[in-house]
Amino acid sequence: DAGVIQSPRHEVTEMGQEVTLRCKPISGHNSLFWYRQTMMRGLELLIYFNNNVPIDDSGMPEDRFSAKMPNASFSTLKIQPSEPRDSAVYFCASSLQGQFSYNEQFFGPGTRLTVL
Amino acid sequence: RKEVEQDPGPFNVPEGATVAFNCTYSNSASQSFFWYRQDCRKEPKLLMSVYSSGNEDGRFTAQLNRASQYISLLIRDSKLSDSATYLCVVNGNTGFQKLVFGTGTRLLVSP
Repeated sequence: DAGVIQSPRHEVTEMGQEVTLRCKPISGHNSLFWYRQTMMRGLELLIYFNNNVPIDDSGMPEDRFSAKMPNASFSTLKIQPSEPRDSAVYFCASSLQGQFSYNEQFFGPGTRLTVL
Repeated sequence: RKEVEQDPGPFNVPEGATVAFNCTYSNSASQSFFWYRQDCRKEPKLLMSVYSSGNEDGRFTAQLNRASQYISLLIRDSKLSDSATYLCVVNGNTGFQKLVFGTGTRLLVSP
């Protein structure tokens, strides 16, 4: 079975450029999460969607970050313009969530972003 | 204060040793607790859930102390393959669930 798929796996860009990260969740999962991981701050939740609807974006650092989920099988995280402090590993995760139950979140392999 | 706090380590232990990690959380309303494992340059993966009564999975035992807001993970008979970072994870919400991750405790098991 295919797990969560992320692309690209590595991205090197220059400050000021637009960056788009892509995620395909596991088929049948109804929740999708975007995380950012750095050495200093660990793993931080940026935004999550349930049934393609953004539920909580309080972790999105600022207006330069935006996320969309146009359908159940695709999501994007966009940074425009990018800055060196955005350098991190960005993980996408998906799960099958019930209203009163927790199910395991499955993480993709991550996108390692370097902004020069 | 961080929502989830862990000793970053590293914990250096020989093969066969028993090692324990602790974690504290600040939200007394938290309902669900987990340990995730993350190998170097890989994604986090669920190791085990933590139940109020404590639970065991092979060489791994997890304990929860709600009164002290404290979670532990015990690894017995450590293997070289146990070398990884162990993330303490707490979920404070009902309904649509958010996870709060600790920054992790690094374990190095040597021959």
